[in-house]
Amino acid sequence: GEDVEQSLFLSVREGDSSVINCTYTDSSSTYLYWYKQEPGAGLQLLTYIFSNMDMKQDQRLTVLLNKKDKHLSLRIADTQTGDSAIYFCAEPALSGGYQKVTFGIGTKLQVIP
Amino acid sequence: EAGVAQSPRYKIIEKRQSVAFWCNPISGHATLYWYQQILGQGPKLLIQFQNNGVVDDSQLPKDRFSAERLKGVDSTLKIQPAKLEDSAVYLCASTELAFGEQYFGPGTRLTVT
Repeated sequence: GEDVEQSLFLSVREGDSSVINCTYTDSSSTYLYWYKQEPGAGLQLLTYIFSNMDMKQDQRLTVLLNKKDKHLSLRIADTQTGDSAIYFCAEPALSGGYQKVTFGIGTKLQVIP
Repeated sequence: EAGVAQSPRYKIIEKRQSVAFWCNPISGHATLYWYQQILGQGPKLLIQFQNNGVVDDSQLPKDRFSAERLKGVDSTLKIQPAKLEDSAVYLCASTELAFGEQYFGPGTRLTVT
């Protein structure tokens, strides 16, 4: 079955770059997600990347995908205190025409002012 | 556009009691998901509906958990009887189609004592 792994915790200083890493197992996924969860809230889609792409940039966010190693990373430039949250890597798989999403354990990002 | 609504936001019960959670997805969204998120872990899918039919309930502990989605709109998730290990946040999510970005509600935090 699918398995998504992430490190648990990352601490950075405000203004520095943050890099959150993820490994996944299902190479047939058409795309991969990054979700953000702020305290007391549900998850919110932050960005995604199609599996035929190596990189996607969206303002302060850069997603890198290494399909050979099944490694996904999320880089946040100029990290702000408002970026403090838990970040989930997620891998959707199609089964019987329906999407089933496997989430990683989540990486808690702490931004120090 | 209104988001996914869930109630109650918090619930504290004793073990062996019953509890029910309610979810109202985004209007027009055909697919509805219930996830269990234990503290420090990623969301785990419990059950997935397509309109009012179940497409995946393989990880639902059917001896104590039940869910329904009458008329393909609102959904309720019930636990009877609750165990200590059911303490978690129960998240509801919906998608417009059978795949794509999931929109999450704020969750219901259940504490079983």
